[in-house]
Amino acid sequence: ETGVTQSPTHLIKTRGQQVTLRCSSQSGHNTVSWYQQALGQGPQFIFQYYREEENGRGNFPPRFSGLQFPNYSSELNVNALELDDSALYLCASSFRVSGADTGELFFGEGSRLTVL
Amino acid sequence: AQKVTQAQTEISVVEKEDVTLDCVYETRDTTYYLFWYKQPPSGELVFLIRRNSFDEQNEISGRYSWNFQKSTSSFNFTITASQVVDSAVYFCALSEPYGNNRLAFGKGNQVVVIP
Repeated sequence: ETGVTQSPTHLIKTRGQQVTLRCSSQSGHNTVSWYQQALGQGPQFIFQYYREEENGRGNFPPRFSGLQFPNYSSELNVNALELDDSALYLCASSFRVSGADTGELFFGEGSRLTVL
Repeated sequence: AQKVTQAQTEISVVEKEDVTLDCVYETRDTTYYLFWYKQPPSGELVFLIRRNSFDEQNEISGRYSWNFQKSTSSFNFTITASQVVDSAVYFCALSEPYGNNRLAFGKGNQVVVIP
């Protein structure tokens, strides 16, 4: 067990709605990354949070936003949902010291979002 | 831009056979990390290995082995004596330099081990 937990595990939304996904990082980890995995594809990097600030972003529009809290947990928010947002959203945590990640990146089991 | 190519989409093998998964990557960086992850049907990505671009030694961990060849930008993964529990999707990934763990993934290899 990796220790990264995500909620909810499954959810269904309709186009135009908003969604919030949550992630608790593994104990001792201070960096959280979010990935989107469409069916049959590899995960795509959305963004990363370190010290409660966004620290790198992939090719995703501003309607994808996030937060990191003092306890290192994180939220991913998606506004104005589109059909193509249907995917598995994966959260990953790691430990960063002096600006560099020190080792493994641990993933949670993901939140599967369906947009109708 | 970084890119990872895993050409074989689905591979079926009979139990106890060996299976090799190819991974070819593209990057302009001289420092980077390469990863392999396993994704069982549950969806969680299970970490298998992280390799620094400066370390070209091959590695073996139990039935798993990795062949890193910087000259051909490849980081291939072999499962020896496959078992049914090895059935999963396997992803190769490449990180940006300085070890910040922002990964670019390949499309994955679906491995099916037939009993």
